[in-house]
Amino acid sequence: RKEVEQDPGPFNVPEGATVAFNCTYSNSASQSFFWYRQDCRKEPKLLMSVYSSGNEDGRFTAQLNRASQYISLLIRDSKLSDSATYLCVVTKPNDYKLSFGAGTTVTVRA
Amino acid sequence: NAGVTQTPKFRVLKTGQSMTLLCAQDMNHEYMYWYRQDPGMGLRLIHYSVGEGTTAKGEVPDGYNVSRLKKQNFLLGLESAAPSQTSVYFCASSYATGRNFYNEQFFGPGTRLTVL
Repeated sequence: RKEVEQDPGPFNVPEGATVAFNCTYSNSASQSFFWYRQDCRKEPKLLMSVYSSGNEDGRFTAQLNRASQYISLLIRDSKLSDSATYLCVVTKPNDYKLSFGAGTTVTVRA
Repeated sequence: NAGVTQTPKFRVLKTGQSMTLLCAQDMNHEYMYWYRQDPGMGLRLIHYSVGEGTTAKGEVPDGYNVSRLKKQNFLLGLESAAPSQTSVYFCASSYATGRNFYNEQFFGPGTRLTVL
């Protein structure tokens, strides 16, 4: 079983719509969680960290469910510029390494 | 600051040829990483370094070697390239904050390598 699994999508949504997707992780000891964004043929960049209590950053909301071992990302009022691949990232305690999911592709259409 | 830079951006090799990919960062980061990204596979860690003069194997180290002679540079070598090494290679760096290892990683723009 992969450490981090994501629905690859693609999620095709119209501008202004809300889109949400999840990521599951296999190691219950996982400590920290992030969403990275990757534009086509570009490098990944940190979108937001995911905190236990859930957190928002503008139109983006991230949630963590430790009992079911998944994190989620919700994008409200989608913009064309939100079209990208969203990578779920998980770390383990005392580990220098990050585990990346394969990504969920979101396409926002006009 | 340039952040993380990688050279070259593109390269085509023939099977059996060797090459070195260079990663440089100007953020004084302790940790540096080499990943490869293939369609449907996500980013897979090849090797990483937690400081100058140190290296360690990641998830897919076979066929690659690395060196970290200077803090700001992390080199990835392919001694005898194979078609299976066709991929996009990303270098990343991050900073250390004591016991908290889970800091943001800053990525370079990538090297697109094709092995024929």
